Amino acid sequence: EVLLLESGGGLVQPGGSLRLSCAASGFTFSNYAMSWVRQAPGKGLEWVSAISGGGGGTYYADSVKGRFTISRDNSKNTLYLQMNSLRADDTAVYYCARDSHSNSYYWFDPWGQGTLVTVSS
Amino acid sequence: DIVMTQSPDSLAVSLGERATINCKSSQSVLYSSNNKNFLAWYQQKPGQAPELLIYWASTRESGVPDRFSGSGSGTDFTLTISSLQAEDVAVYYCQQYYSTPRTFGQGTKVEIK
Repeated sequence: EVLLLESGGGLVQPGGSLRLSCAASGFTFSNYAMSWVRQAPGKGLEWVSAISGGGGGTYYADSVKGRFTISRDNSKNTLYLQMNSLRADDTAVYYCARDSHSNSYYWFDPWGQGTLVTVSS
Repeated sequence: DIVMTQSPDSLAVSLGERATINCKSSQSVLYSSNNKNFLAWYQQKPGQAPELLIYWASTRESGVPDRFSGSGSGTDFTLTISSLQAEDVAVYYCQQYYSTPRTFGQGTKVEIK
């Protein structure tokens, strides 16, 4: 069974930093690109960032470019999102999701259960 | 960025009746070289993560009941639930993967009448 388990969310002050992790199991992790998608409370879905299977290609939404860094450790089957200079509008549930192919960025399947990030003073 | 607009924002349907959700993209998501529409549909039940229902606009994901179907091409797409069941209460999202950034519709909430 393919499983994705996020961790690292919590309450952080504006301007602060947080690192999210996503532990993957049940599939060959390095064969798939991975993404982070977020959902603000009561709102819709917003793609945040993606990384290729080998880690050499990274992509970001304009809203987080220069503040967030996506990375992966294929030896640990783990995806990361380093979030710096956090703002109130970054408050959301952050989902990690598997992309459809190693270097193709199509649909997301499956998704983790999500981790809540709250940016507030 | 490609803007995805869904209609309606919400709908209430009686059990066993048909539910129809529309999704319109601000530009075509039909890739001419392979004649595929770069569009997916997701279901998000209350308190849960989204789940993939359909990709390539009309290909049902493994395990998805056949009462769910997708149709359309170019800029106009439809998700149909042929006979609504109680477990189908959820918010449904369309998503384009034709270009980066991948974008979602605002969601359509389906309830029981």
